[in-house]
Amino acid sequence: LAKTTQPISMDSYEGQEVNITCSHNNIATNDYITWYQQFPSQGPRFIIQGYKTKVTNEVASLFIPADRKSSTLSLPRVSLSDTAVYYCLVGQSSSNTGKLIFGQGTTLQVKP
Amino acid sequence: GAVVSQHPSWVICKSGTSVKIECRSLDFQATTMFWYRQFPKQSLMLMATSNEGSKATYEQGVEKDKFLINHASLTLSTLTVTSAHPEDSSFYICSATRWRGSNQPQHFGDGTRLSIL
Repeated sequence: LAKTTQPISMDSYEGQEVNITCSHNNIATNDYITWYQQFPSQGPRFIIQGYKTKVTNEVASLFIPADRKSSTLSLPRVSLSDTAVYYCLVGQSSSNTGKLIFGQGTTLQVKP
Repeated sequence: GAVVSQHPSWVICKSGTSVKIECRSLDFQATTMFWYRQFPKQSLMLMATSNEGSKATYEQGVEKDKFLINHASLTLSTLTVTSAHPEDSSFYICSATRWRGSNQPQHFGDGTRLSIL
């Protein structure tokens, strides 16, 4: 299993860029990296997914170095509504079960 | 697209009652659905993998006779908590995916808050 390690919590202010880094030293060759966002009393919401280099969508960017042992989720100009828990997950392509094992996630607190 | 609906959103019942939670993929066919539970201030814990037309695969430590899972169609999976007790009170979340694979994102329902009195 490709275990992930993230900071437990982060604080930021409105309008700032937030970068959350995740370590996944044991990532397998075919594994993808996926980030989810969860608000209290809701299910996680897909943010972004990538395999290597950089991926960008309308809400975030994902940076993955060449060795793929870590990844960084970048949230541009956060607002109060971005306060949530962010989970970094690595797919288990080797077993092809598709199941995800959630780590503790990073609780992001955005302050006014 | 890729909407997953979960019902009910919350339920309160007496100890000893069995409770059924439904998970539906509304706009896609899900070959695989997953069930999680989440306690306050904790992460999601995978309970089982539900495959259409076959028996569910349970994670270690999850009682299959306690948590009955049925995946009778490509758009519906149900989780039944049998003879529920207060310790079963939790937030139950399902997810669905079109096919199994590392590059296939899971789409989550909004969860069911279960409270056993």
